[in-house]
Amino acid sequence: EVELVESGGGVVQPGESLRLSCTVSGFTFGSFWMSWVRQAPGKGLEWVANIDQAEDVGEKNYVDSVRGRFTISRDNAKNLLYLQMRSLRVEDTAVYFCVRGGVQFWHWGQGALVTVSS
Amino acid sequence: QSVLTQPPSVSAAPGQRVTISCSGSISNIGSNSVSWYQQFPGTAPKLLIYDNDKRPSGIPDQFSGSKSDTSATLGITGLQTGDEADYYCGTWDSNLSSAVFGGGTKVTVL
Repeated sequence: EVELVESGGGVVQPGESLRLSCTVSGFTFGSFWMSWVRQAPGKGLEWVANIDQAEDVGEKNYVDSVRGRFTISRDNAKNLLYLQMRSLRVEDTAVYFCVRGGVQFWHWGQGALVTVSS
Repeated sequence: QSVLTQPPSVSAAPGQRVTISCSGSISNIGSNSVSWYQQFPGTAPKLLIYDNDKRPSGIPDQFSGSKSDTSATLGITGLQTGDEADYYCGTWDSNLSSAVFGGGTKVTVL
């Protein structure tokens, strides 16, 4: 059974950093594109970033609003996906979902809540 | 303002059919495959339709998808109260080099 479990969410102040992790199981992690998708409270879905199967030299894409502040990465040996978030803003407050897929999103984690507030 | 445009809400009586539209442009729907997602409150979204009109294993044929030019449509037949949820379309935008979603449509069973 495919399972994705996010961790690392919490409450931070504007300008601070946070790293989300996603542990996956039930499929060959290194064979799939992965993404982060977020959902602000009461709002719709917003794609954040994706990464191809390779770890270091692979293709990565970001939504304009996070480019330069967020970094997506992966460790295929440990079945881990990461999202390093820097210079966080109030508008980054959302539930962040770890998702299998780069454009079409097949399996979703339960989400991790990130709250940016002073 | 979402790149893809969906109606905020649709409704129908039990047993009826509803359709949800998703309008985009040549750089997104016009050039790439569309997927659809179902989300119940407080839970993660679930893939309903991929590659415009294909259903993943376990998704009933109650749900159908289609695409024409720069628009896509999700159809739900035999509407039940258990289908009340938010539905999102999504695709890749080649100009933005980003995945994009519609704003979501709330389905209500009258």
